[in-house]
Amino acid sequence: GDSVTQMEGPVTLSEEAFLTINCTYTATGYPSLFWYVQYPGEGLQLLLKATKADDKGSNKGFEATYRKETTSFHLEKGSVQVSDSAVYFCALSLGSSNTGKLIFGQGTTLQVKP
Amino acid sequence: NAGVTQTPKFQVLKTGQSMTLQCAQDMNHEYMSWYRQDPGMGLRLIHYSVGAGITDQGEVPNGYNVSRSTTEDFPLRLLSAAPSQTSVYFCASSYFPRGTNYGYTFGSGTRLTVV
Repeated sequence: GDSVTQMEGPVTLSEEAFLTINCTYTATGYPSLFWYVQYPGEGLQLLLKATKADDKGSNKGFEATYRKETTSFHLEKGSVQVSDSAVYFCALSLGSSNTGKLIFGQGTTLQVKP
Repeated sequence: NAGVTQTPKFQVLKTGQSMTLQCAQDMNHEYMSWYRQDPGMGLRLIHYSVGAGITDQGEVPNGYNVSRSTTEDFPLRLLSAAPSQTSVYFCASSYFPRGTNYGYTFGSGTRLTVV
C-alpha cells in the first residue's frame, strides 16, 4: 500500500547549521507530496508542497524537490534558527483519485540550540 | 477567518463514556477527514468523507463513528471511550478543483484523555 517513511529523530542542530530531513515514499499512482510542520502545542501547518516530478516546493527558507526516480522528497534548509524547532511531517496524497486521503510519515522532531 | 474549527480543545472522559468531537469548515471543501496523533506514530486516518452523505473508514476506525449530513460539519463520535483512545485528534478538509491538489487545512486539534 501507499506509505511514507521519514528519518527518525530527534534531530539536534546548532543555530545556522544545515538541515536535511529524509523522506521516501511508496505510492501506486502519481502522488502530490507535502511537508507539514507542527510547533509545540499547535496544529499542523502546510510548509510546502510539490504536485509532480521535479517540482521544487519552497517556503520560509525550506526547500524540497520531488524526485520520482528515487521516490524521495527530502526537506532542506541552509541555516536553521531556534524558531524552527518543531515536528516535521512528510505526507503524500493521491488526491481525488484516492478519495482525498493524506498519508503521513511518523514525524521528525527538530531541536535547534542557540 | 476561514478555516477548520474543532471543539472542544481539551476533554477528559471516564472509561465507557461517549462524546462527540465537533469539526466545522467554512471553505465549502468536499473532503473532510479525522486523524489521531500518537507519539512516534505520526497521524493515522480514522474516517474520511468525500462529500455530504458519504463516509468511509480509514486505517484505525474501531470505536469511532462519523456522519456527514452537511458539507460544513463532520463530527466524530466515541461510542464507549477506552484509555487506548487517549490521543490528540485533528480534523482536516480539502478540495481538488479539476484534479489539482492544493493541500489540506487542519484544525487546531482536540486533546482527549480517557481515564
